[in-house]
Amino acid sequence: GNSVTQMEGPVTLSEEAFLTINCTYTATGYPSLFWYVQYPGEGLQLLLKATKADDKGSNKGFEATYRKETTSFHLEKGSVQVSDSAVYFCALQETSGSRLTFGEGTQLTVNP
Amino acid sequence: GAVVSQHPSRVICKSGTSVKIECRSLDFQATTMFWYRQFPKKSLMLMATSNEGSKATYEQGVEKDKFLINHASLTLSTLTVTSAHPEDSSFYICSARDHNYEQYFGPGTRLTVT
Repeated sequence: GNSVTQMEGPVTLSEEAFLTINCTYTATGYPSLFWYVQYPGEGLQLLLKATKADDKGSNKGFEATYRKETTSFHLEKGSVQVSDSAVYFCALQETSGSRLTFGEGTQLTVNP
Repeated sequence: GAVVSQHPSRVICKSGTSVKIECRSLDFQATTMFWYRQFPKKSLMLMATSNEGSKATYEQGVEKDKFLINHASLTLSTLTVTSAHPEDSSFYICSARDHNYEQYFGPGTRLTVT
């Protein structure tokens, strides 16, 4: 079956540090890949997505590239802010509109 | 963008009672909605897929008689936790799928069973 593995948290960084959150996946086909962000006490917000190999999703300074050869979709940001503190979920979707399979989530805390 | 609401945002109920949680797509029609459960510091677990006008499809291990799902209209799905127990305490999140197959998440409902 499909699965998503994220690097374990929590991750604590200082403001303006570089961020990488690793995500690898297992899927039978060619899924779409997503990063969602969850702020405390809230639901999930789509951060970025990529629908095919070599696509790069980007939003709010975050980027992730769909790497089919390494089955990865690592999230990066060059300079994090305190307001980026949240839980980040990597997810895959086997076909458009189908169920999402989520990773375990990575808690990010950015200190001033 | 598309907006999905949930009501209530927080609810506390006594053990043995039933609680209904609503999920609404405010500015689009959703033939399909999904219900997730999230345990503290854990990922989201898909409970069921709710289809308008038909029975919900439950994931393995989810009790359909305990978690009743009704998708009565194209903008509303409800999850009723029947005979709630403390172990049902959790954060319940819904998502709604639009005609472009994009999924939008609600803000979640925190259920506490005492």
